[in-house]
Amino acid sequence: GESVGLHLPTLSVQEGDNSIINCAYSNSASDYFIWYKQESGKGPQFIIDIRSNMDKRQGQRVTVLLNKTVKHLSLQIAATQPGDSAVYFCAENRGFQKLVFGTGTRLLVSP
Amino acid sequence: DADVTQTPRNRITKTGKRIMLECSQTKGHDRMYWYRQDPGLGLQLIYYSFDVKDINKGEISDGYSVSRQAQAKFSLSLESAIPNQTALYFCATSDGTSGFTGELFFGEGSRLTVL
Repeated sequence: GESVGLHLPTLSVQEGDNSIINCAYSNSASDYFIWYKQESGKGPQFIIDIRSNMDKRQGQRVTVLLNKTVKHLSLQIAATQPGDSAVYFCAENRGFQKLVFGTGTRLLVSP
Repeated sequence: DADVTQTPRNRITKTGKRIMLECSQTKGHDRMYWYRQDPGLGLQLIYYSFDVKDINKGEISDGYSVSRQAQAKFSLSLESAIPNQTALYFCATSDGTSGFTGELFFGEGSRLTVL
């Protein structure tokens, strides 16, 4: 099994609920933020991104919100499905086109 | 077939042994990365390469070396493995031709255990 995430914060929701996963970042100079999804036994997969000159961006069933004042990023998943169960990572671009990843949040979706 | 392929997928070795993890990609991307993943620490960048002649250290390069043999191949070596290098290692690629988008394409990981 997947050993990553043994000590991760966990969000448990029921199928059909909306999920909100939060991330705090530390570098006010970061200009680009990304959310990744990692399913058990797989590599991370890009979900959605947002540039620092925006405060909201929507994709299919997902919305990312950026609050630069408090250095906070959130990922909202509408109508959460069992297939959304995974570990979610935020990442920030701190320059030189290198991403720095957060520690992750595990999302568990119950039928 | 996977676009980013890592070999081996699992490896158990002993302290002091030399280990090489290999990565090959069919995406045609010029940028390749090696990350390490530990429980509770997210992904940490070890090395990255923006083209065949370019190699750069990441956050945690000590104890590791890399080789970019071709545009499609980027290998990570542990010259003398130690137990705290036990981790899950990911190779990733990105397309730099249209500027930085942040979208990395990851392989499925190589789990390394050093006894």
